Amino acid sequence: DADVTQTPRNRITKTGKRIMLECSQTKGHDRMYWYRQDPGLGLRLIYYSFDVKDINKGEISDGYSVSRQAQAKFSLSLESAIPNQTALYFCATSGAPGPYNEQFFGPGTRLTVL
Amino acid sequence: KQEVTQIPAALSVPEGENLVLNCSFTDSAIYNLQWFRQDPGKGLTSLLLIQSSQREQTSGRLNASLDKSSGRSTLYIAASQPGDSATYLCAVSNAGKSTFGDGTTLTVKP
Repeated sequence: DADVTQTPRNRITKTGKRIMLECSQTKGHDRMYWYRQDPGLGLRLIYYSFDVKDINKGEISDGYSVSRQAQAKFSLSLESAIPNQTALYFCATSGAPGPYNEQFFGPGTRLTVL
Repeated sequence: KQEVTQIPAALSVPEGENLVLNCSFTDSAIYNLQWFRQDPGKGLTSLLLIQSSQREQTSGRLNASLDKSSGRSTLYIAASQPGDSATYLCAVSNAGKSTFGDGTTLTVKP
């Protein structure tokens, strides 16, 4: 079984709808991240969490919110989706801080907002 | 603000050739540098992680080097195969956050 899973894998929605993307991990890591990937813009950090009680904004958090329900679960919400939020979304995890901080990625969710 | 650049953006080589992918970063205060592989529409697979105190790491046909003082890393792929065709991304990490390059798209022709 995959260590980092994301649901759904694909989603098409309409402008103004509320969307939730979910991420679960079995690696036992404290740190979890949400990124989006756009052609020509690379991977950009949306939100990150170093433990259940710690949530931080990344470089492009506007229009998004997150919830860390448990160590293993980190959800990303789009409160009112807009077309420029069409992108590939990735969840990632990492363990110990510092030089050993290797990141592991989920398979991604392809979101299309019409 | 950390910036990561990968050159070239795309590379096409014949099968069997050895090749080098480049990654440069502007702030040398990093904890580590990680190389990833991404197949089209797929997630990122970690290839190698080099800690800031290390100079290189090897895994099979892959060898990654790190020169922190000059802000450079290279990923060397020996005896390339068509299955190596993918996009390769590097990411530098500090304070628990990573900054990614835009990647190099590699095509290995049979």
